[in-house]
Amino acid sequence: DAGVTQSPTHLIKTRGQQVTLRCSPKSGHDTVSWYQQALGQGPQFIFQYYEEEERQRGNFPDRFSGHQFPNYSSELNVNALLLGDSALYLCASSVTSTRSSYNEQFFGPGTRLTVL
Amino acid sequence: AQKVTQAQTEISVVEKEDVTLDCVYETRDTTYYLFWYKQPPSGELVFLIRRNSFDEQNEISGRYSWNFQKSTSSFNFTITASQVVDSAVYFCALTGSSNTGKLIFGQGTTLQVKP
Repeated sequence: DAGVTQSPTHLIKTRGQQVTLRCSPKSGHDTVSWYQQALGQGPQFIFQYYEEEERQRGNFPDRFSGHQFPNYSSELNVNALLLGDSALYLCASSVTSTRSSYNEQFFGPGTRLTVL
Repeated sequence: AQKVTQAQTEISVVEKEDVTLDCVYETRDTTYYLFWYKQPPSGELVFLIRRNSFDEQNEISGRYSWNFQKSTSSFNFTITASQVVDSAVYFCALTGSSNTGKLIFGQGTTLQVKP
């Protein structure tokens, strides 16, 4: 049973460019969350997708957008890249259930984005 | 607002020493969940434990133990007889009924275990 997978592993972009990061959730999971982890910091929640819609959003500008596909995989898009967007981007998947107020998140290995 | 504070930025110990990582949290939710994750140099967050707000029993798993105290809003993590393989960054995290699915992480504690 494959866990959460992310691609690419590493990425180098220049300021002003756009980037797309991809995530495939763990088998059986229908919810995907994205986090940004700057160097030396804890992960920060960007947004969460469920049923192909953004369900929650953290304190990130509109340059950060996402998408969820019918197969539950997800993309994170960042436009007009800034130097400060350099970070490890983590994807987490979970199952949304009405029986539980919390559903555990399983994290992928991350995509390390460097903006020059 | 929810917040997690890990006051210890870095801890260095010698192998076989016991070490405790501190975590203090803030939340107004009556139902909430606390977590500890380990992040080795590879970057992937490895889940260690989850505790819900209604279960204050301490837990032990091998060399790991956790002390959850609602009275002091703390959820501390102790590694007994530390090993070099325990070297990593450890994160405490919180989610509550008001924003289920959004994990709030602390800044992390870097643990270095020297041989």
